[in-house]
Amino acid sequence: QQPVQSPQAVILREGEDAVINCSSSKALYSVHWYRQKHGEAPVFLMILLKGGEQKGHEKISASFNEKKQQSSLYLTASQLSYSGTYFCGTEARGGADGLTFGKGTHLIIQP
Amino acid sequence: NAGVTQTPKFRILKIGQSMTLQCAQDMNHNYMYWYRQDPGMGLKLIYYSVGAGITDKGEVPNGYNVSRSTTEDFPLRLELAAPSQTSVYFCASSSHREGTEAFFGQGTRLTVV
Repeated sequence: QQPVQSPQAVILREGEDAVINCSSSKALYSVHWYRQKHGEAPVFLMILLKGGEQKGHEKISASFNEKKQQSSLYLTASQLSYSGTYFCGTEARGGADGLTFGKGTHLIIQP
Repeated sequence: NAGVTQTPKFRILKIGQSMTLQCAQDMNHNYMYWYRQDPGMGLKLIYYSVGAGITDKGEVPNGYNVSRSTTEDFPLRLELAAPSQTSVYFCASSSHREGTEAFFGQGTRLTVV
């Protein structure tokens, strides 16, 4: 089942903060976060694993509540380059291979 | 560092035609995936492969076929194209089954008319 992301869209001024949430009804092994700009491929941001391990390439913070099967992505002091659509992708332990993605959160940063 | 390469970038097909979307990766990844992305719907898994000669269906496999004869290549075949297959197709690869970054190709935008 597809994870549920909220909010669907956010409009911020440069420098403001945002939180994007991802919730699943399945027991998760990991949550992935990707950002996609219009007409481009999704770009990896972070993985949060059951047990607390995190892997990421950028200075972005996130959390994973294993009991609630929820993850949140925290974007602080937003920059214009943060604009795009953010997707969470989930992996369920013992489930099918590949990621199950949410519908995405559209983030617009205005100067 | 080519990563994951998809060809073509754009294609227009007529209903009933067939085509193959090509995907190649140079990272020696065992795991490869095909996703389709429809507006406002996120990405949905079509097929995946855990290694050469091994493929399996994802969430939306109907109307598609795949093969994996080498570690590098994972082509997606559309037989008898239908308007419902109009979408953006992404190929991805990863080094392990779980908990590792997926590397995406640049996508193929397919329109069936």
